[in-house]
Amino acid sequence: EMVLTQSPATLSMSPGERATLSCRASQSVGSSLAWYQHTPGQAPRLLIYGASTRATGLPTRFSGSGSGTEFTLTISSLQSEDFALYYCQQYANWPGTFGQGTKVDIK
Amino acid sequence: VQLVESGGGLVQPGGSLRLSCAASGFTLSNNWMSWVRQAPGKVLEWVAHINEDGSEKYYVDFVTGRFTISRDNAENSVYLEMNSLRVEDTAVYYCARDKQAFGYWGRGTLVTVSS
Repeated sequence: EMVLTQSPATLSMSPGERATLSCRASQSVGSSLAWYQHTPGQAPRLLIYGASTRATGLPTRFSGSGSGTEFTLTISSLQSEDFALYYCQQYANWPGTFGQGTKVDIK
Repeated sequence: VQLVESGGGLVQPGGSLRLSCAASGFTLSNNWMSWVRQAPGKVLEWVAHINEDGSEKYYVDFVTGRFTISRDNAENSVYLEMNSLRVEDTAVYYCARDKQAFGYWGRGTLVTVSS
């Protein structure tokens, strides 16, 4: 089974700072990778698909990059509403699998 | 777009539950639909998905033969029938639109399997 490893587990940041989240796949997934934001109790939100394509209406401070086995989600300037959990997901192989998540919290 | 799950609750091992997902704000019959779950402290897991007209259904190994996904486009609803439930099926179950990158999700419904 395809394994996705996210790092770090927790990122303690201040508003306005740049956040860089990583996702590593155990084998190549090409560009079949998505990123989600999740605040507990709320519906998860699609941010990025195809490794780098922003979902409709997503602020431009969010960007995705990478291909193959190494992927990055960057938030250029953290806003208060960005402190949440972030998951990567591969959909190159059935069943699609998720990473364990990175929590972005306030320093 | 809104997806609202219901039907979760407490059930004994070996029991059954039927989850529902009410869809609004888009044309359900144009989209694959999926169920994804997250057990306490565990990673999100893709459970099943169904194509636009219900003729294709796919399940992960750990639910095959126990869970059944279905849909009623006229009622704007998707369902997950869960039988022979196990303690390890305890999770929040999410309904999600699409079959690859999930464009929209519901808030989930909690299923607890315990004696």
